[in-house]
Amino acid sequence: ETGVTQSPTHLIKTRGQQVTLRCSSQSGHNTVSWYQQALGQGPQFIFQYYREEENGRGNFPPRFSGLQFPNYSSELNVNALELDDSALYLCASSSDRGFSPLHFGNGTRLTVT
Amino acid sequence: AQSVAQPEDQVNVAEGNPLTVKCTYSVSGNPYLFWYVQYPNRGLQFLLKYITGDNLVKGSYGFEAEFNKSQTSFHLKKPSALVSDSALYFCAVRDILRGYQKVTFGTGTKLQVIP
Repeated sequence: ETGVTQSPTHLIKTRGQQVTLRCSSQSGHNTVSWYQQALGQGPQFIFQYYREEENGRGNFPPRFSGLQFPNYSSELNVNALELDDSALYLCASSSDRGFSPLHFGNGTRLTVT
Repeated sequence: AQSVAQPEDQVNVAEGNPLTVKCTYSVSGNPYLFWYVQYPNRGLQFLLKYITGDNLVKGSYGFEAEFNKSQTSFHLKKPSALVSDSALYFCAVRDILRGYQKVTFGTGTKLQVIP
């Protein structure tokens, strides 16, 4: 069973730029969620994708957007990067929208300078 | 809004001693609670969950958690701590009011097991 993989592992961007982060979900999982984890904080829910549609969103502005593809992999796009966007971005997959636990990748560390 | 609170930023325990990491929750309706562990530079790993049933939930690596409805608590426990248990632990609650799985995490508790 292949776990959740994220790329790249580290990324440095300049304020105002755009970034795309990628995630391959665990085999058999059709739901992908993205979380932002600032240093010293717990993960914060960004949004969730199910069957290629966004079906839930946290308190993040529209410049945070995403996609899910037919193979259930996903992208997180962030436009007009701000310094406060520096964080660990975690992708999590699950098998359904019920009570199954989230399976996390190791994250992408984004630094905005 | 659903939330969890982890009152301790750090817990220190000697190897071989029992450990407890505290969590309290605030939900409307039935709580669906989770514990995750995070090692340095890694994602979160699922330890255990409470959905319904027995108040004592057993999970991975010898961890267990006690659900207490009257105290709205879901403390993580282990009878005998190992140095390898040193990590960051997150309590979490699943939002059941919406059609999707939004999980809200606490701020985390750093567990340090001293040899």
